[in-house]
Amino acid sequence: GENVEQHPSTLSVQEGDSAVIKCTYSDSASNYFPWYKQELGKRPQLIIDIRSNVGEKKDQRIAVTLNKTAKHFSLHITETQPEDSAVYFCAAIVLEGSGTYKYIFGTGTRLKVLA
Amino acid sequence: DTGVSQDPRHKITKRGQNVTFRCDPISEHNRLYWYRQTLGQGPEFLTYFQNEAQLEKSRLLSDRFSAERPKGSFSTLEIQRTEQGDSAMYLCASSRSHGGSPLHFGNGTRLTVT
Repeated sequence: GENVEQHPSTLSVQEGDSAVIKCTYSDSASNYFPWYKQELGKRPQLIIDIRSNVGEKKDQRIAVTLNKTAKHFSLHITETQPEDSAVYFCAAIVLEGSGTYKYIFGTGTRLKVLA
Repeated sequence: DTGVSQDPRHKITKRGQNVTFRCDPISEHNRLYWYRQTLGQGPEFLTYFQNEAQLEKSRLLSDRFSAERPKGSFSTLEIQRTEQGDSAMYLCASSRSHGGSPLHFGNGTRLTVT
């Protein structure tokens, strides 16, 4: 069945270093891949997304890359700051019959930025 | 930005009781999703609606769970005869109907079954 795997489950980096989180998906028809940040006790919030017709997208310190052939995509955070500490979730659209679709989420990565 | 609102924020109930949660999506969004999230896990898909039509229900969802969106606006999620394993955060999200529209989440309802 449809599946999104996310690694690592936890990640600790020194402030100012980069962080990379990787996800793989199983449905080759998936064409939209959002990333969400969830701070403790708060709702998941969209931070960046990428569609299958591009290989990379950047927004200030965050970027996402997509490799459709290998069916994996990654989140890159540069110059990490303590406020980047949160749980990050990747997701992929799973297309179903009759034009319907749903989102499947990865299991999350707990990022800790050490001051 | 009114956002997605959920009510209540917290619910504590005894095993065997029924509970109902409400979600009000962003007004121009015609898709509405329910997810369940337990500690350390990603949101787990439960069901979703396009307007008032329930298009899919997860195989993981037992018959004790039912969701409605009678007028294509707000939605309710009911859990009957609650069990301790139902304790989780229940998240509602909404989006526009075309593929590649991001989900906008509510703050969730945290259910504790004692």
